[in-house]
Amino acid sequence: GDSVTQTEGQVTVSESKSLIINCTYSATSIGYPNLFWYVRYPGEGLQLLLKVITAGQKGSSRGFEATYNKEATSFHLQKASVQESDSAVYYCALSAGTQVVGQLTFGRGTRLQVYA
Amino acid sequence: EAAVTQSPRSKVAVTGGKVTLSCHQTNNHDYMYWYRQDTGHGLRLIHYSYVADSTEKGDIPDGYKASRPSQENFSLILELASLSQTAVYFCASSDRGLVAETLYFGSGTRLTVL
Repeated sequence: GDSVTQTEGQVTVSESKSLIINCTYSATSIGYPNLFWYVRYPGEGLQLLLKVITAGQKGSSRGFEATYNKEATSFHLQKASVQESDSAVYYCALSAGTQVVGQLTFGRGTRLQVYA
Repeated sequence: EAAVTQSPRSKVAVTGGKVTLSCHQTNNHDYMYWYRQDTGHGLRLIHYSYVADSTEKGDIPDGYKASRPSQENFSLILELASLSQTAVYFCASSDRGLVAETLYFGSGTRLTVL
């Protein structure tokens, strides 16, 4: 089946420093999967941060970027300068054409802690 | 103005007891979903629904029932709760059932079965 592997556990970064959270995927269905980053802020539900449905394209939102690299099967999340308000749990996810409608395959989540 | 609200926020249940988790959405979406997340794992789909009075099985439906009495409401029912069902449960909705559709999540219900 499909799977998503992302940076394990917690990442701690100083404010204004750069960030990268790694995400690699394996998709068994025909065609290329759609890729997502969701974020969960404390006390809230997951919300979409960005998505890319075309291989080779880049998605961006709130200063975050991720590029769909089909050769490396990767979708790493990057930000040039993080803020304390970015502290949250980040989830990489994919969906593919043969999956149940609305079904996403999620990674385990990466907790980002930004300190001043 | 949360569009997907879950209740309760947390619950402690006894093994063998019945548990009902509730979800209400004001997005006017047709699709609703129940996911669970275990510590150290990603979210997994339990049940979903695309119309009132109908539910479908997801990846891990065993031990769970779902009910969709109206477009706005979607419940997850554990008839005989077990220790292995301790997890955080998320409800979500989407406008359509397209594979690239954005899901809108509730804030989760933390269930502990003792």
